[in-house]
Amino acid sequence: LAKTTQPISMDSYEGQEVNITCSHNNIATNDYITWYQQFPSQGPRFIIQGYKTKVTNEVASLFIPADRKSSTLSLPRVSLSDTAVYYCLVGDSVDSNYQLIWGAGTKLIIKP
Amino acid sequence: SQTIHQWPATLVQPVGSPLSLECTVEGTSNPNLYWYRQAAGRGLQLLFYSVGIGQISSEVPQNLSASRPQDRQFILSSKKLLLSDSGFYLCAWSVWQGIPSEQFFGPGTRLTVL
Repeated sequence: LAKTTQPISMDSYEGQEVNITCSHNNIATNDYITWYQQFPSQGPRFIIQGYKTKVTNEVASLFIPADRKSSTLSLPRVSLSDTAVYYCLVGDSVDSNYQLIWGAGTKLIIKP
Repeated sequence: SQTIHQWPATLVQPVGSPLSLECTVEGTSNPNLYWYRQAAGRGLQLLFYSVGIGQISSEVPQNLSASRPQDRQFILSSKKLLLSDSGFYLCAWSVWQGIPSEQFFGPGTRLTVL
């Protein structure tokens, strides 16, 4: 099973681009990489998912190098409301037997 | 649209007392269901998941158990709570798509064991 490593915390300022990197050296062939956002006392919320190269949606981009041993979540032009904990999740689903490993999370603080 | 409910929202229980947390999902059929626990300031720990009625997989051996008596109902139980059972309990659901699909989380239950 893949194990993930993320920075414990990061600070940035409104309007800046924020990049959070997750290391997953033992990622398996079937594993996908998913990122979630969590606010205090709420359940996590899905941000983006990818397998390789680059994925972009309306809120974020996910960059995955060819060796897939790391991934970077990119948040463009952050605002104060982006202050939250961000989780990198690596796993696969084989015959409905989910193997999901949640990272410890990165606490992102956005300053005015 | 789909919604997920958890209750109670908060709970304070003495050590050694039983526990029953309930989760229900509306607006979808045959969802995958999950129970997570989150200790203060920590990440999520997957406790149980279920792919169908009566089918429960346990990720972490402990004094908790889970049941799925109906398609969209998931129950987390304990016969005797420990202090270490305190935490934020989250229920989630997803749709089986052959790859890890987006999980939708409920509002959570804050459990304090005294």
